[in-house]
Amino acid sequence: AQSVTQLDSQVPVFEEAPVELRCNYSSSVSVYLFWYVQYPNQGLQLLLKYLSGSTLVESINGFEAEFNKSQTSFHLRKPSVHISDTAEYFCAVSHISSGSARQLTFGSGTQLTVLP
Amino acid sequence: DAGITQSPRYKITETGRQVTLMCHQTWSHSYMFWYRQDLGHGLRLIYYSAAADITDKGEVPDGYVVSRSKTENFPLTLESATRSQTSVYFCASRGGETQYFGPGTRLLVL
Repeated sequence: AQSVTQLDSQVPVFEEAPVELRCNYSSSVSVYLFWYVQYPNQGLQLLLKYLSGSTLVESINGFEAEFNKSQTSFHLRKPSVHISDTAEYFCAVSHISSGSARQLTFGSGTQLTVLP
Repeated sequence: DAGITQSPRYKITETGRQVTLMCHQTWSHSYMFWYRQDLGHGLRLIYYSAAADITDKGEVPDGYVVSRSKTENFPLTLESATRSQTSVYFCASRGGETQYFGPGTRLLVL
């Protein structure tokens, strides 16, 4: 079984300040890791993912996340946030195994609110 | 329209009624999923399907039924709606290692 913990349910931050959204997971097998973003009244959009290779992955809008296997973490960071980054962010994991559905297990989400 | 769509977007029903939520994808993805989103719980998997006529239970399947007669459609039925099924329902399909989500159906059971 696998689980995902997002310790911070709400993170308020001022515009142009840096932010880190924390994600820790537990799993007995290797996993793929994802961050999804949900804007109000919309579905989830993939922000970035770690499948293999470099442990630092980046998104097109300035977010990055680093896979830390020893700490079982996949924290999301952005050096300077914008008002438009206000949204809910979900961390998710799936098992690496061929032939499976690779079901996603989600954290409970972190609401990022960027203040002017 | 390309992508994944859900209908209706909003639904109000009464306890005991049957409700069907529709999901359609245009990518011909094999895997499709239904999730419910509730405050404080993130998204929880209800059912998933590996292909037409192949479905399996997820974490919270009780009270729900699914079918998949065609690759592109994956309807979710609440056979006898209960207030605890008030939620936002998301359909997704998987391409490669990434799941792509529909816009959601907001369901209120009175």
